[in-house]
Amino acid sequence: AQSVTQLGSHVSVSEGALVLLRCNYSSSVPPYLFWYVQYPNQGLQLLLKYTSAATLVKGINGFEAEFKKSETSFHLTKPSAHMSDAAEYFCAVSVNTDKLIFGTGTRLQVFP
Amino acid sequence: DVKVTQSSRYLVKRTGEKVFLECVQDMDHENMFWYRQDPGLGLRLIYFSYDVKMKEKGDIPEGYSVSREKKERFSLILESASTNQTSMYLCASSRANEKLFFGSGTQLSVL
Repeated sequence: AQSVTQLGSHVSVSEGALVLLRCNYSSSVPPYLFWYVQYPNQGLQLLLKYTSAATLVKGINGFEAEFKKSETSFHLTKPSAHMSDAAEYFCAVSVNTDKLIFGTGTRLQVFP
Repeated sequence: DVKVTQSSRYLVKRTGEKVFLECVQDMDHENMFWYRQDPGLGLRLIYFSYDVKMKEKGDIPEGYSVSREKKERFSLILESASTNQTSMYLCASSRANEKLFFGSGTQLSVL
């Protein structure tokens, strides 16, 4: 069985500060890993995905995530937060990129 | 632009009613999915479909059924709505092994 755990349901940062959203996964086979973002009153959209190529994955809006097998982690980072980054972020895992298992989400607040 | 359209943004129903949630995609995608989103629980997969007239149970199918008579439309059916089915319902679609596209969601309240 596969699962993801997102540590911290809420994260607050100042504008310009580093964003770090944590995700740990559990999978019996090499996983595909994803980060999705949900802005208020919208559906989810893909930020980035890991599919066993490069371990450092770059996504949209300046986000990136690093796959660390030894730590079973796939944390999402952005060097400098912007007010427009305020949203809910979901980590997800899959064995075949089709059927995704989502985490419980982390709400990011950005203060001026 | 790609589009996944859910028929209602907000829906209020009474306990015991039969409820239909409709989802239409205009991208000729093979795969379609229904998730429910609850605070603190994230998204949980209810049902999915890889082809017309095909359906598979997700992680929480109890109390739900689905219909996919046409490739572009995937309907979620609550046979007898209950208060614990009050939730945000998200539809998504994708090509095989490609990213999911989500609709904006239907907030269902069952009173």
